Amino acid sequence: ILNVEQSPQSLHVQEGDSTNFTCSFPSSNFYALHWYRWETAKSPEALFVMTLNGDEKKKGRISATLNTKEGYSYLYIKGSQPEDSATYLCALIQGGSEKLVFGKGTKLTVNP
Amino acid sequence: ETGVTQSPTHLIKTRGQQVTLRCSSQSGHNTVSWYQQALGQGPQFIFQYYREEENGRGNFPPRFSGLQFPNYSSELNVNALELDDSALYLCASSLRDRGRMNTEAFFGQGTRLTVV
Repeated sequence: ILNVEQSPQSLHVQEGDSTNFTCSFPSSNFYALHWYRWETAKSPEALFVMTLNGDEKKKGRISATLNTKEGYSYLYIKGSQPEDSATYLCALIQGGSEKLVFGKGTKLTVNP
Repeated sequence: ETGVTQSPTHLIKTRGQQVTLRCSSQSGHNTVSWYQQALGQGPQFIFQYYREEENGRGNFPPRFSGLQFPNYSSELNVNALELDDSALYLCASSLRDRGRMNTEAFFGQGTRLTVV
């Protein structure tokens, strides 16, 4: 069974705080890692698709890093805002597979 | 871009019944995947369709079946519904290029199925 683990499960921060979450996955047979942001009552929205070891991607105040050799990715949010409140999902694609294998997500709540 | 739309948004079915969920893919996308999200879990892969053919299946029984149409819209059919089938069903469309999916998936808002 392929396990993608995310931590923490949930997180409460104050507006302006910076925060980060972890996604861990098996390092063997890696193809790509996706990060999605899922706000309540909306569709999951893609943040990043990462494929190369050492990749760093940034979109506004959100950035992500990837280490395929040790099997982890970090998502960082700088200066959290209430509108960042959402569940952040990572999903792995292994070589030879077409499916996204999701973690359970990290639920972020940013208090004003 | 038209976005991914799913219908219905909610429905309630009785155990043993059959259900069909529908998904309209994002314009220009040739691949659609279906996922089931049970409470407290991440989305679980059901199957994927590429150019109207099944292209990968997760650990779901044969009573879960699907179709992809020439316009790349898709259906998920579930027969003999069980209580454990109660979940959010997500459809995701993507573009396969040179044989692999290396771009992000675009998700619909999901269909919330309750089996009583």
